[in-house]
Amino acid sequence: DTGVSQDPRHKITKRGQNVTFRCDPISEHNRLYWYRQTLGQGPEFLTYFQNEAQLEKSRLLSDRFSAERPKGSFSTLEIQRTEQGDSAMYLCASSPQQGNTIYFGEGSWLTVV
Amino acid sequence: GQQVMQIPQYQHVQEGEDFTTYCNSSTTLSNIQWYKQRPGGHPVFLIQLVKSGEVKKQKRLTFQFGEAKKNSSLHITATQTTDVGTYFCAGPHGSSNTGKLIFGQGTTLQVKP
Repeated sequence: DTGVSQDPRHKITKRGQNVTFRCDPISEHNRLYWYRQTLGQGPEFLTYFQNEAQLEKSRLLSDRFSAERPKGSFSTLEIQRTEQGDSAMYLCASSPQQGNTIYFGEGSWLTVV
Repeated sequence: GQQVMQIPQYQHVQEGEDFTTYCNSSTTLSNIQWYKQRPGGHPVFLIQLVKSGEVKKQKRLTFQFGEAKKNSSLHITATQTTDVGTYFCAGPHGSSNTGKLIFGQGTTLQVKP
């Protein structure tokens, strides 16, 4: 399968714990995005990488959130000191250099209890 | 700020009936994209419209981009149970030519067999 893959698919954590999600984009795509989706809403943009450079971050991305893409391939999204409001599906997407059509992974569901 | 709105939020139809969802942007868009998300799944890219007044068809699905490039519609003819899911429209944020998109809140389609 050459689509976007995310791991883990589901994560239940206690409030205050740290969690990390991993995303492997489509191999020939150099742009990678993180979105967040809550029930009944459309995806909301969090951050975007072109190769290893993080070019944009949303105001939604508080200082408890950090994303990296160290070698321009896979990416990680870490949430520190999780809060119940962080419960959502975290979607990774990738796209080629040109155009703005993005291809989502299956998402990582986070439940903070 | 820039907003993308969709109506209706929910639609229940009998199998074989037609379905239409409408998308309106607060700003002129360079292009608009449509995604489908099955229950429990992730958004999957359907189509992109670029030109003013553009109409594209995919089998029973007809997509239209308004003349002013601020609205769009998706029409499904003779719905089937496989059409069940949430349909999102999305447009580029500002003048971005990246995958930083603003999504509508989606229209959830239920089809009764």
